[in-house]
Amino acid sequence: DAGVTQSPTHLIKTRGQQVTLRCSPKSGHDTVSWYQQALGQGPQFIFQYYEEEERQRGNFPDRFSGHQFPNYSSELNVNALLLGDSALYLCASSRDRAYEQYFGPGTRLTVT
Amino acid sequence: AQSVTQLDSQVPVFEEAPVELRCNYSSSVSVYLFWYVQYPNQGLQLLLKYLSGSTLVKGINGFEAEFNKSQTSFHLRKPSVHISDTAEYFCAVSDRSGGGADGLTFGKGTHLIIQP
Repeated sequence: DAGVTQSPTHLIKTRGQQVTLRCSPKSGHDTVSWYQQALGQGPQFIFQYYEEEERQRGNFPDRFSGHQFPNYSSELNVNALLLGDSALYLCASSRDRAYEQYFGPGTRLTVT
Repeated sequence: AQSVTQLDSQVPVFEEAPVELRCNYSSSVSVYLFWYVQYPNQGLQLLLKYLSGSTLVKGINGFEAEFNKSQTSFHLRKPSVHISDTAEYFCAVSDRSGGGADGLTFGKGTHLIIQP
């Protein structure tokens, strides 16, 4: 049984560009959450998707947007990249209303 | 809103010695509590969780944690550490009113360093 998968593993972008990160949830999971982990910090909650809708959002600007597809996979889009957006982006999946979130290995985004 | 404070950024311990990683939280609502572990270049793995009931919670890899409501703490312990326990440990909370569906609020992490 494959766990949570994320692509790409690493990504380098230039300030002002746009980026799309992808996540496939663990089999049987219908809820996807995204987190940003800056170097030396704990993960910060960006938003959560359930039934193709954004159900909850953390304190992130509108430059961060997402999408969930009918197969429960998800994308995180970041527009107008800033140097401060450089971080490890983690995707976590769960069954609805379940307490345990399963994390993927993350996508390392570097903005230059 | 919730916040989590992990009081030690780094904890060095000798192999086979006991360890305690401290976590305090602040919240205006009731919360669920979690400890996650992150090995180098990997995602996070759930060690244990407190939802309700007994305040002493046992998790994987021999770890346990105790919920103390009056002190708003959820400290993680292991009686004897192994070199393979070297990792980053994160304490996290979520709002109970979300029924377990809410996003997690994490602390900044504690780097556990096991010395031979």
